[in-house]
Amino acid sequence: KNEVEQSPQNLTAQEGEFITINCSYSVGISALHWLQQHPGGGIVSLFMLSSGKKKHGRLIATINIQEKHSSLHITASHPRDSAVYICAVRSGGSNYKLTFGKGTLLTVNP
Amino acid sequence: NAGVTQTPKFQVLKTGQSMTLQCAQDMNHEYMSWYRQDPGMGLRLIHYSVGAGITDQGEVPNGYNVSRSTTEDFPLRLLSAAPSQTSVYFCASSAQGLAGLEQFFGPGTRLTVL
Repeated sequence: KNEVEQSPQNLTAQEGEFITINCSYSVGISALHWLQQHPGGGIVSLFMLSSGKKKHGRLIATINIQEKHSSLHITASHPRDSAVYICAVRSGGSNYKLTFGKGTLLTVNP
Repeated sequence: NAGVTQTPKFQVLKTGQSMTLQCAQDMNHEYMSWYRQDPGMGLRLIHYSVGAGITDQGEVPNGYNVSRSTTEDFPLRLLSAAPSQTSVYFCASSAQGLAGLEQFFGPGTRLTVL
């Protein structure tokens, strides 16, 4: 079973700061997802990537397959970015199952 | 499109009671899944379905049943509720593989078993 570790568990930032959230996994994967969960519970998919880098607005996700590591960056953070960010991986042999990290709680203060 | 809908939003049960959590999607997705989310733990897969009439167990299936009679609906049944089933339950769907393309999540059902 793939183990997914996220760091930090909790992160507090001031508005405008550059944010980095990290995700490491133990076994080779075919895809990695970044998800966002706001207070109140709704979960939204941010990125799915299997190599390189993706960008959407102020969010950037990168993955290094050799090092089994991914990062989610938020530029010019804003209080509305406050949420739990979740990393999930699909192991190479399973098309149907995701293994999730425990999430990183981000709080951005004005 | 409504996306993925779940009912009810909140439910309180007594130990031993049964109930069904409803999940529906209007995106014609083949793949649907049920997860539970507990404090300090990542989302865990309960059951999943790769199409109408086809279901399979996930990581934590005990105490839950599912069926998939239509593409749209994927209900989760608790046969005899236990306090250990107190959790937040999420239904999700995707167009290609449960872990392939973008996952669409429902708003969740918060269940308390007394």
